[in-house]
Amino acid sequence: AQSVTQLGSHVSVSEGALVLLRCNYSSSVPPYLFWYVQYPNQGLQLLLKYTSAATLVKGINGFEAEFKKSETSFHLTKPSAHMSDAAEYFCAVRRRALTFGSGTRLQVQP
Amino acid sequence: DADVTQTPRNRITKTGKRIMLECSQTKGHDRMYWYRQDPGLGLRLIYYSFDVKDINKGEISDGYSVSRQAQAKFSLSLESAIPNQTALYFCATSDLGEGAMSGELFFGEGSRLTVL
Repeated sequence: AQSVTQLGSHVSVSEGALVLLRCNYSSSVPPYLFWYVQYPNQGLQLLLKYTSAATLVKGINGFEAEFKKSETSFHLTKPSAHMSDAAEYFCAVRRRALTFGSGTRLQVQP
Repeated sequence: DADVTQTPRNRITKTGKRIMLECSQTKGHDRMYWYRQDPGLGLRLIYYSFDVKDINKGEISDGYSVSRQAQAKFSLSLESAIPNQTALYFCATSDLGEGAMSGELFFGEGSRLTVL
């Protein structure tokens, strides 16, 4: 079965610091992986997706993620955090439908 | 107007009551989904439908039922609501295709249900 595990339910960084949100997947076949973001009182929206075309995937708002098969990871990064990045982030893997991780809430301190 | 519309946005009800959450979409997608979100648990799939005649249970379908009235409409029912069904419910849609470019979900804004 395919699933994802997000390490760290809360992450706090200072504005301008590196953002690193961790996601590990379990899959017996090459997975389709996604990162979604949820801003307060909103639904989820797609940040980026791994399509197997390239291991480094660039998304919206300066985020990117690197697919590492040897580590079964798909961590999300952003070089410099902005206050507007404060949100909850979900990693997901596609089976017949998307299966989501438990989420990581990112807090950005001024 | 939103592409995926959920009604009601907020509902407070009592244990044992029947509740229906409705979802309609203007994206023209064949695939529709119902998820519930609980703090610390992420989103869990309740039911999904790949077309009007195709309904599938998700990981937490017990206590829920669905109806796909048309391509654009997918409703979720709680026949006899209980307090642990208090949650934020999301409807989502996606287009067809098994290829790498498929899989993106488009979410409604959520329906917050409280069962007392």
